[in-house]
Amino acid sequence: AQSVTQLDSHVSVSEGTPVLLRCNYSSSYSPSLFWYVQHPNKGLQLLLKYTSAATLVKGINGFEAEFKKSETSFHLTKPSAHMSDAAEYFCVVGAGGTSYGKLTFGQGTILTVHP
Amino acid sequence: GAGVSQSPSNKVTEKGKDVELRCDPISGHTALYWYRQSLGQGLEFLIYFQGNSAPDKSGLPSDRFSAERTGGSVSTLTIQRTQQEDSAVYLCASSFDSSGNTIYFGEGSWLTVV
Repeated sequence: AQSVTQLDSHVSVSEGTPVLLRCNYSSSYSPSLFWYVQHPNKGLQLLLKYTSAATLVKGINGFEAEFKKSETSFHLTKPSAHMSDAAEYFCVVGAGGTSYGKLTFGQGTILTVHP
Repeated sequence: GAGVSQSPSNKVTEKGKDVELRCDPISGHTALYWYRQSLGQGLEFLIYFQGNSAPDKSGLPSDRFSAERTGGSVSTLTIQRTQQEDSAVYLCASSFDSSGNTIYFGEGSWLTVV
């Protein structure tokens, strides 16, 4: 079984300041972990994924996430927020093996960026 | 096609009617997934296809829900005798195969049952 908890339902930052979106996961095997972003009235877009290679994963638009097994965490960060980063972000854990695409989504974190 | 295509983008139906939602995956993708996004439940897995077979349909909420895939390409999600709690965005996704490739999502079909 697997589960994912996003620790903040809303995060608000000023443009140019760092972004931290927190995620903890639970998985009975070595997990695949993802961050997806959803802009208003748009589809889900993959930001980055972890599949047991490097623990620090770099994604698109300057985002990165670090896999910490000891803390069962996969927090998403960005050094400097941009107005276009305002969206909802989902931390996702994937089932293993042939059920790779059976994803379990967190409840989402809405990121607001102030000028 | 360039991305996962879903139709209709919006559908309003009366309670008790049947609806069909269509998904056209990215060309060459053998794995196809259906998810549902609703206010109360967040994003939930419904069913997964590898080719035309559905190895995992554990997320279908009731026997009113069914899905099929033909020719290893287009998939149809059918909801019979729709209920108001079926109102949600139904998302389709595809990947090259089921072994770790990136999963791409469509923009969804917004279903409203009145």
